[in-house]
Amino acid sequence: GAGVSQSPRYKVAKRGQDVALRCDPISGHVSLFWYQQALGQGPEFLTYFQNEAQLDKSGLPSDRFFAERPEGSVSTLKIQRTQQEDSAVYLCASTGTGVKTRYEQYFGPGTRLTVT
Amino acid sequence: SQKIEQNSEALNIQEGKTATLTCNYTNYSPAYLQWYRQDPGRGPVFLLLIRENEKEKRKERLKVTFDTTLKQSLFHITASQPADSATYLCALLMNRDDKIIFGKGTRLHILP
Repeated sequence: GAGVSQSPRYKVAKRGQDVALRCDPISGHVSLFWYQQALGQGPEFLTYFQNEAQLDKSGLPSDRFFAERPEGSVSTLKIQRTQQEDSAVYLCASTGTGVKTRYEQYFGPGTRLTVT
Repeated sequence: SQKIEQNSEALNIQEGKTATLTCNYTNYSPAYLQWYRQDPGRGPVFLLLIRENEKEKRKERLKVTFDTTLKQSLFHITASQPADSATYLCALLMNRDDKIIFGKGTRLHILP
């Protein structure tokens, strides 16, 4: 596709519900990143995939957070038993493999999660 | 751990002037330093990358400097326009295989 897409754009969940957030990276992009962005803050790293391999999940705040990318393309971030502190914008980004562009992150529009 | 400090207050600049945003970091210098632009309700957009062995990088009306002695990067927008109003994020990549660390961003308002 033309850019990174994310769905849904907005999600309201009641505390305790499970949610699944989807990311479609740019076609051919090998690396995929998930970030959490609270209001007025910069994006905070959650996890990183290279193809289907999850190489770094050190930013996941708890074991309620789980991410997967089974075929090395689309990725899903799942949050179980949502809590109010999970309310934030969840951003997905992908990068290419070119020597000059491998560090340029292309971001999706984000999913705004509100836990009530 | 690495910390990034950007202008905490919003920056108001008159149209046509040069806007200068500051990014300071602690600890070790990153291998790469990046600047992104973020508009409300949108994801960040990559603008420029500068390497630790580079002093300055330019792209159209944008200029980034990188001073590893001061542990500081400056981001300049010359001939600023109201359309340049956005939040600008500084981001560090400590080494080529590491994750990116973002600052909180600086909100820039260009006044017509």
